[in-house]
Amino acid sequence: DIQMTQSPSTLSASVGDRVTITCRASQSISSWLAWYQQKPGKAPKLLIYKASSLESGVPSRFSGSGSGTEFTLTISSLQPDDFATYYCQQYNSYHVVTFGQGTKVEIK
Amino acid sequence: EVQLVQSGAEVKKPGESLKISCKGSGYSFTSYWIGWVRQMPGKGLEWMGIIYPGDSDTRYSPSFQGQVTISADKSISTAYLQWSSLKASDTAMYYCARLRYDSSEIDYWGQGTLVTVSS
Repeated sequence: DIQMTQSPSTLSASVGDRVTITCRASQSISSWLAWYQQKPGKAPKLLIYKASSLESGVPSRFSGSGSGTEFTLTISSLQPDDFATYYCQQYNSYHVVTFGQGTKVEIK
Repeated sequence: EVQLVQSGAEVKKPGESLKISCKGSGYSFTSYWIGWVRQMPGKGLEWMGIIYPGDSDTRYSPSFQGQVTISADKSISTAYLQWSSLKASDTAMYYCARLRYDSSEIDYWGQGTLVTVSS
């Protein structure tokens, strides 16, 4: 099974900061990676798919990059609405999915 | 508008059975895979398995194989997740989710069903 490791587990940041979250795969997954945002008590929301494609309606301050085994989600200027938990998801094998353990972005 | 509407919260005792549902609308229910995701209290997302309602092709994550049953009734555009004998460790929020056509990212999620198992 492909394992996904996110870092950091928790991140403290201020409004306006540039924030980067990393997700590493235990083997190459090409660009088959998505990023989700989850707020307390809510279902996750798709932000990025195929490693770098921005989902429709998602603010352009969110971006994704990477391929192979190392990927990043960047928030260029953190906004109050962005404090949440972020998950990566790999889907290298058709419909075989693994999530990272999550990164909580907290207010500094 | 695409919607996945899940059944309401459940409180059960260990050993009881349970079937929760996820009704899709606003799209061709038989043409998209539906997955189930577990989130235990304060924890991350875990992939349980998926079903293709068009032909009921079902695949389970190894961690959940034999522990739950995923099914669908395409005549009423509804997918199901069921347990034959619940354990306290099954206490969690369960989400159904639609996989994007011909891909595996999740573009729509249900609102979640909270299952509490306690004696």
